[in-house]
Amino acid sequence: DAGVIQSPRHEVTEMGQEVTLRCKPISGHDYLFWYRQTMMRGLELLIYFNNNVPIDDSGMPEDRFSAKMPNASFSTLKIQPSEPRDSAVYFCASSSMIPPETQYFGPGTRLLVL
Amino acid sequence: GESVGLHLPTLSVQEGDNSIINCAYSNSASDYFIWYKQESGKGPQFIIDIRSNMDKRQGQRVTVLLNKTVKHLSLQIAATQPGDSAVYFCAENGGLTGGGNKLTFGTGTQLKVEL
Repeated sequence: DAGVIQSPRHEVTEMGQEVTLRCKPISGHDYLFWYRQTMMRGLELLIYFNNNVPIDDSGMPEDRFSAKMPNASFSTLKIQPSEPRDSAVYFCASSSMIPPETQYFGPGTRLLVL
Repeated sequence: GESVGLHLPTLSVQEGDNSIINCAYSNSASDYFIWYKQESGKGPQFIIDIRSNMDKRQGQRVTVLLNKTVKHLSLQIAATQPGDSAVYFCAENGGLTGGGNKLTFGTGTQLKVEL
């Protein structure tokens, strides 16, 4: 298996622009998680899905952030409009409903908003 | 101005020595625990896990110890190598209250291996 795939790996954009991050989970996994990692706050859970349905989005910082999972093999995290404080590394992870609940992480998208 | 970030605990060890990284978890209902390794510029990578019905589990060069009485988890790395230099995170599942495969991550420990 190729593991969790994320794109792009790096994104540089200007404040106010829309940013879309993409994730392909491991085939057969039922859960998908979006995290943000910064030096200031560490690793934060933004939202997670089970069988394509959002279960907990309490970590999404503002209405500027939105996430979708139209099917079992694809999810997006969108920031509109982006701000410099959104600069971070965004990770996608997936896990199976069958124990153990180990989450497998993608390589991350490093976002810089100027 | 000067930026303030998370102050990660740092463990410095000599190559070949054993390393012990500690973690205090918060939820007494947690029944599943994981150690992740994160190298610079990469995503967290699964190392080893343990269920609450066990006190110890061994992998290749790594051992995880669980003390439920004091809610403490440790990761032991034998014969530490330069490639072990990374940030190590512990994670817990929150048991029945966590639900949905959600994990809570610790802040991490930076391991530096000196030659």
